[in-house]
Amino acid sequence: DVKVTQSSRYLVKRTGEKVFLECVQDMDHENMFWYRQDPGLGLRLIYFSYDVKMKEKGDIPEGYSVSREKKERFSLILESASTNQTSMYLCASSLGLKATNEKLFFGSGTQLSVL
Amino acid sequence: LAKTTQPISMDSYEGQEVNITCSHNNIATNDYITWYQQFPSQGPRFIIQGYKTKVTNEVASLFIPADRKSSTLSLPRVSLSDTAVYYCLVGWGDDKIIFGKGTRLHILP
Repeated sequence: DVKVTQSSRYLVKRTGEKVFLECVQDMDHENMFWYRQDPGLGLRLIYFSYDVKMKEKGDIPEGYSVSREKKERFSLILESASTNQTSMYLCASSLGLKATNEKLFFGSGTQLSVL
Repeated sequence: LAKTTQPISMDSYEGQEVNITCSHNNIATNDYITWYQQFPSQGPRFIIQGYKTKVTNEVASLFIPADRKSSTLSLPRVSLSDTAVYYCLVGWGDDKIIFGKGTRLHILP
């Protein structure tokens, strides 16, 4: 089975801190994604990457950046955390280049609280 | 990406068959229909994908009428552990997936 591992299950940070959320997948998948999930808003796409060092903005990229230096690892960076970035963050990967053609495999999520 | 509409929530009882219908009036010729399931405190999980007629796997069945403007996810003999949010997605060849708010299914004993 594909495993997508997110480094932290729960994280508490202070406003203004730089925050790194790490995600690793073990199946040599091409595509990786970062979503955030908030009550009543469903999942919203922040960034995705279809190759090493490549990245594309999703629907809500403001306040975030990403890094993909190795194929298996996709990092989400909050340059200066704010309280409105308190959320559940979900990482996902898929084998092929076109997300809607493929199964997405998700990690268990990181619940980030910014105080 | 075609827009989908599905009920916000549904209740059912253990042992019953549950059908969740999704509307996608603007589905394109090449689009597939995909369903994901999300348990509390977990990421979504792929359940089933289909193009037309009927698809069945070990988890669910997917019924798609000839006009493909809607689809129905069928869960046979549900148990309490089927309590989850179910997402209907439509698309093909897209770089990204947009998840809506899904249907919150609550199974009662």
